[in-house]
Amino acid sequence: EAGVTQSPTHLIKTRGQQATLRCSPISGHTSVYWYQQALGLGLQFLLWYDEGEERNRGNFPPRFSGRQFPNYSSELNVNALELEDSALYLCASSRDRSYEQYFGPGTRLTVT
Amino acid sequence: GNSVTQMEGPVTLSEEAFLTINCTYTATGYPSLFWYVQYPGEGLQLLLKATKADDKGSNKGFEATYRKETTSFHLEKGSVQVSDSAVYFCALLSGNTGKLIFGQGTTLQVKP
Repeated sequence: EAGVTQSPTHLIKTRGQQATLRCSPISGHTSVYWYQQALGLGLQFLLWYDEGEERNRGNFPPRFSGRQFPNYSSELNVNALELEDSALYLCASSRDRSYEQYFGPGTRLTVT
Repeated sequence: GNSVTQMEGPVTLSEEAFLTINCTYTATGYPSLFWYVQYPGEGLQLLLKATKADDKGSNKGFEATYRKETTSFHLEKGSVQVSDSAVYFCALLSGNTGKLIFGQGTTLQVKP
């Protein structure tokens, strides 16, 4: 069984640009979660999508947004990038709402 | 609010030593508890979980018991290997939020 996949592996953007990160869940999983792992800040919950709907949102500004597609894959969009958005962005998926979350390898976003 | 506290690292052990990484939590209700492991340059791997008081999660020689009376979920392994060197995260999931709350992570270094 293939795990959670994320693309791209690395992304370099300049301040003010937009970044789009993609995630494909494990086959059969309908929930997708996004987390930010920034140096010194630990792992922070960003968003939860289930059955195409946003179910919960962490304490992040509105320029962090996303969506879930009918095939349950997901995008995370970060607008008006700031230097402090540089981090590893991790996607996770779970079957239904079982909450046993399985993580992908992450996308390393660098903002210069 | 809900929170997780882990022991400070790094923890440095010799191969075949006994491992304990302490984790305590603060939460309302009855959260599910998890241990995740992150190897260098990778995402998080679910190591084990427990969903109710006195449950013992176990995997790959690692164990942790959900202790409601002490609000703890300490990770143990009887004999560590060099390949166990990684960062270990304790996490809780409360209610129907989809949000994992992580501790700050504990780095384990195992020397031959």
